[in-house]
Amino acid sequence: GAGVSQSPSNKVTEKGKDVELRCDPISGHTALYWYRQSLGQGLEFLIYFQGNSAPDKSGLPSDRFSAERTGGSVSTLTIQRTQQEDSAVYLCASSLQGTYSNYGYTFGSGTRLTVV
Amino acid sequence: GDSVTQMEGPVTLSEEAFLTINCTYTATGYPSLFWYVQYPGEGLQLLLKATKADDKGSNKGFEATYRKETTSFHLEKGSVQVSDSAVYFCALKGSGNTGKLIFGQGTTLQVKP
Repeated sequence: GAGVSQSPSNKVTEKGKDVELRCDPISGHTALYWYRQSLGQGLEFLIYFQGNSAPDKSGLPSDRFSAERTGGSVSTLTIQRTQQEDSAVYLCASSLQGTYSNYGYTFGSGTRLTVV
Repeated sequence: GDSVTQMEGPVTLSEEAFLTINCTYTATGYPSLFWYVQYPGEGLQLLLKATKADDKGSNKGFEATYRKETTSFHLEKGSVQVSDSAVYFCALKGSGNTGKLIFGQGTTLQVKP
């Protein structure tokens, strides 16, 4: 597609429920990143995909968080047993290459998750 | 580990004022440096970048120079407009093999007419 598409744009869920957030990167972009932006905070790295593999998942905050990517394209971030501290904007970004340093990312508009 | 520190906001300026947003970094090796901007209600957009020491990135009247000796990448604009009101993020991409960006906390700029 023309840009990075994320869905849903907003999600309100009850504490303890599971949620799935979807990211559809720009066609041909091999690198895909998930970040979290909490209120008043900067962007916190969660996980990086190169193709379908995740060589860096060091930012996932707990084992309640997981992510997968299929077909070198769409990625899903799953949060199990959501907690109120999971409330944030979850941003997805893609780029042509992860390894080489000259490429900037294209970000999606994010999914605003509210846990009540 | 790698880190980025930005000046705290919010920064409030009058239209046509000079803007500086300070950014310093800590990193091993030779990182690439970026400024991203987030306009109200929109996603982050790449504003400018510099990939080696003494490079100057520029876009839309904004400039930033990669200063390795002071580990800084300050954002400047000579004359801000109301439409520049946004949150600005400084970021670095380290020399590791993931390409992940490390972001600063963001600085909110409000420009008044």
